[in-house]
Amino acid sequence: KAGVTQTPRYLIKTRGQQVTLSCSPISGHRSVSWYQQTPGQGLQFLFEYFSETQRNKGNFPGRFSGRQFSNSRSEMNVSTLELGDSALYLCASSLEGGQGFTDTQYFGPGTRLTVL
Amino acid sequence: AQTVTQSQPEMSVQEAETVTLSCTYDTSESNYYLFWYKQPPSRQMILVIRQEAYKQQNATENRFSVNFQKAAKSFSLKISDSQLGDTAMYFCAFMNLRGAGSYQLTFGKGTKLSVIP
Repeated sequence: KAGVTQTPRYLIKTRGQQVTLSCSPISGHRSVSWYQQTPGQGLQFLFEYFSETQRNKGNFPGRFSGRQFSNSRSEMNVSTLELGDSALYLCASSLEGGQGFTDTQYFGPGTRLTVL
Repeated sequence: AQTVTQSQPEMSVQEAETVTLSCTYDTSESNYYLFWYKQPPSRQMILVIRQEAYKQQNATENRFSVNFQKAAKSFSLKISDSQLGDTAMYFCAFMNLRGAGSYQLTFGKGTKLSVIP
């Protein structure tokens, strides 16, 4: 099976712009989670989607948003970029059994976002 | 809220030797998973091993094994016969199975492991 894929792998933007990152989960996985990784804050949870619904959200401002499509692919959007948004953004997918059952998350290679 | 603590920012080990990475966590929940992930310089986060809290038996995956002490809320990773390819950041992570914090991983700050030839 192909792993989690993320596009683009690298992105350079300027302050004030917006950006959209894409994630394709492992085939059959219906849950997609997003994490931000920075040297200072480490790995922080952004949000999680299942069946096109956001089930859980981390402590990030409203500039960070996401969505999931019917084929389980997910996108996250960051509007009005700030210098502090520079980070590695990781997507993870898991085989979700429904009814609240949660399972191991498998990660993609990440998108390195640099904000100038 | 759950917290995960990795007290060793950096460690090194000679090739073929054994090393143990420490992790403690804090939670009031009883049903959860614990994970060790490794992130090599290539940046791809890779699952190393998983432990279900309800299982008393410690998980093992080839050269990797854990020492899970539920009462002490401790979850250490032992790497036997260390190989150069084990050089990476290792993250301990916690996931609730129900209720608040479910569907998300809470990570420790990581331990940078260097395997020396």
